[in-house]
Amino acid sequence: GDSVTQMEGPVTLSEEAFLTINCTYTATGYPSLFWYVQYPGEGLQLLLKATKADDKGSNKGFEATYRKETTSFHLEKGSVQVSDSAVYFCALVDNAGNMLTFGGGTRLMVKP
Amino acid sequence: KAGVTQTPRYLIKTRGQQVTLSCSPISGHRSVSWYQQTPGQGLQFLFEYFSETQRNKGNFPGRFSGRQFSNSRSEMNVSTLELGDSALYLCASSLSASGRGEKLFFGSGTQLSVL
Repeated sequence: GDSVTQMEGPVTLSEEAFLTINCTYTATGYPSLFWYVQYPGEGLQLLLKATKADDKGSNKGFEATYRKETTSFHLEKGSVQVSDSAVYFCALVDNAGNMLTFGGGTRLMVKP
Repeated sequence: KAGVTQTPRYLIKTRGQQVTLSCSPISGHRSVSWYQQTPGQGLQFLFEYFSETQRNKGNFPGRFSGRQFSNSRSEMNVSTLELGDSALYLCASSLSASGRGEKLFFGSGTQLSVL
């Protein structure tokens, strides 16, 4: 079945540092890929998405590129802020449009 | 526009009891999905309802059930609670059946503790 693997956290960075959170997936065909973010005490929010190979999703300074050849969708941000501290989930929806499959989540802690 | 509303926010039950959680989707959304979030297992899909019909079901025992009403509000029920059912239960709604590129809107969840 489909699966999503994320780097384990927590990831601890200083403010203005560069962020990369790795995400790889296993799925047949061409899934759609997503990054969701969960702030403390809240539900998940869609951060960005990409629906086909080589697409780049971007939002709030975060970016991720759909790499079919490496089955990856790594999340990057050039300069993190304390307010970016949250748990980040990589997810996919398969070709048939069935339910979201999530990775285990990566907790990001940004220190001033 | 109001977001996805889940009630109650917190719930404490004892083993063997049953519990019902409620989810009101965003107005106009017809699809409601339920997820269980635990520190050990992460986010796991429970089921999805669209126009009062269960469209997809995850790999959970029959103690977990749900339904959707004509106004798209959804409930999930867990019977004979076990300690391992302690989790944050998240509900998400979308305009149409969740699928390719569809955007899900999540509620803040119901934190269930089973003692």
